[in-house]
Amino acid sequence: QVQVVQSGAEVKQPGASVKVSCKTSGYSFTNYGISWVRQAPGQGLEWMGWISAYSGTTSYPQKLRDRVTMTTATSTTTASMELESLTSDDTAIYYCARSNAYGPYYFDYWGQGTLVTVSS
Amino acid sequence: QSALTQPPSASGSPGQSVTISCTGASSDVGGYNYVSWYQQHPGKAPKLIIYEVSKRPSGVPDRFSGSKSGNTASLTVSGLQAEDEADYYCSSYAGNNNYVFGTGTKVTVL
Repeated sequence: QVQVVQSGAEVKQPGASVKVSCKTSGYSFTNYGISWVRQAPGQGLEWMGWISAYSGTTSYPQKLRDRVTMTTATSTTTASMELESLTSDDTAIYYCARSNAYGPYYFDYWGQGTLVTVSS
Repeated sequence: QSALTQPPSASGSPGQSVTISCTGASSDVGGYNYVSWYQQHPGKAPKLIIYEVSKRPSGVPDRFSGSKSGNTASLTVSGLQAEDEADYYCSSYAGNNNYVFGTGTKVTVL
C-alpha cells in the first residue's frame, strides 16, 4: 500500500533554513511527482510547489520562488523541501503529497504533516 | 495566483444535502478539468475526495459528488452524516504547472 511518511517537527530561528523530508513506499516513485502544501495555524491550505520524480522538473509559486527548493532522491524514494530565510510567517504544518508526474493536477496520498515553528 | 473563493461555512441536518461552491477564473477552474476537492478533519491531513471535477477515489462514498459550470465548481454532500463535519477545500490546476487552493469551507452537521 502507498505510504508517505514525513520527518519530525522542527523549531528554527528567524533567518534560518529548514529541510523537510518525505519518504515514500508502495508505488513506483519515478512514475509520479510530489507536491508540497503548508497550512499556517488556523488558516487554509497553500500550495508551495511541485516536483516530478520522473523528470526532475519543478514549479514554484511566485511568492516562494526565491526561497524554496524541492528535490527527489530516486535511490531512497524520498522527496525533500528546503525553505530559506524563515520568518514567523513560515510557522505552519508542512505536507507532502503524491502528484502526477506531468503536473500538479491533484494529490492522492498525503504525509502526516511536519510542524515547523519559527521563533527566536 | 489568487485563491479560489468558497463560502466560509455551510451546514445541514443529518440526511440532508449541502452544496459548496468554488469560484475561480478562466485561467484555473474554467480552463481545465482538474478541479479537486479535499476533506480535512481537525488535526488531520487533507484527504482527496473528488478529482478531475467529478471522479471519486476508491473508498470515497458516492454521497460525495462534484461538478463544474464555467468558472465555478461545486461539491455536493448528500445524506449528510456526522462524520462529514470537516473543512472542505477545492483546488484547481492553473496552467504552467501552477496550482491553487480555495479558501476553505467549514461544514457543520446540525
